[in-house]
Amino acid sequence: EDQVTQSPEALRLQEGESSSLNCSYTVSGLRGLFWYRQDPGKGPEFLFTLYSAGEEKEKERLKATLTKKESFLHITAPKPEDSATYLCAVQEGSGSRLTFGEGTQLTVNP
Amino acid sequence: EAQVTQNPRYLITVTGKKLTVTCSQNMNHEYMSWYRQDPGLGLRQIYYSMNVEVTDKGDVPEGYKVSRKEKRNFPLILESPSPNQTSLYFCASRNRGTSYEQYFGPGTRLTVT
Repeated sequence: EDQVTQSPEALRLQEGESSSLNCSYTVSGLRGLFWYRQDPGKGPEFLFTLYSAGEEKEKERLKATLTKKESFLHITAPKPEDSATYLCAVQEGSGSRLTFGEGTQLTVNP
Repeated sequence: EAQVTQNPRYLITVTGKKLTVTCSQNMNHEYMSWYRQDPGLGLRQIYYSMNVEVTDKGDVPEGYKVSRKEKRNFPLILESPSPNQTSLYFCASRNRGTSYEQYFGPGTRLTVT
């Protein structure tokens, strides 16, 4: 069974204080790893897809990286508007089933 | 505007009273899914559909039914709701391909008493 574990559960940063969120996974054949952002009371919003170890994707202050066992979401010089819950999900095999982690709740204080 | 809509947004009902949560997307997406989100358990996939009349179970399908008679609609049916189905439900859609750029609806908060 796929396992996706995100850490930390919650992270509080000061504006401008860079940090990283972790997503570790155990799947027999990773087809893709996905990052989403979720604001309170809303549905998740797609951020990135990573397919293979060594791949990196960037979007504004966010950078996602992938190794064979985990993915990191690096946040550089965060702003208060980056406050949200960040979700990681993995897809194994050729089907459409996704397994999500429980998320990291990020708070960025001004 | 490209979007996924769900109705109702909030629903309080009683055990055993059949209900349907509607989901509609205007992006001509082939793939649609239903998820439930619970504290401590994260997002879990209930059912998904790869096209009209093609559906399959996700991780937690028990107690739910779906149908996909039209490409744009993917209703979630609870034939006999129970309190353990109290949750926040999300519908999502995406196009064919592996990018998994899913578009999620705004959510339906269901309470079963």
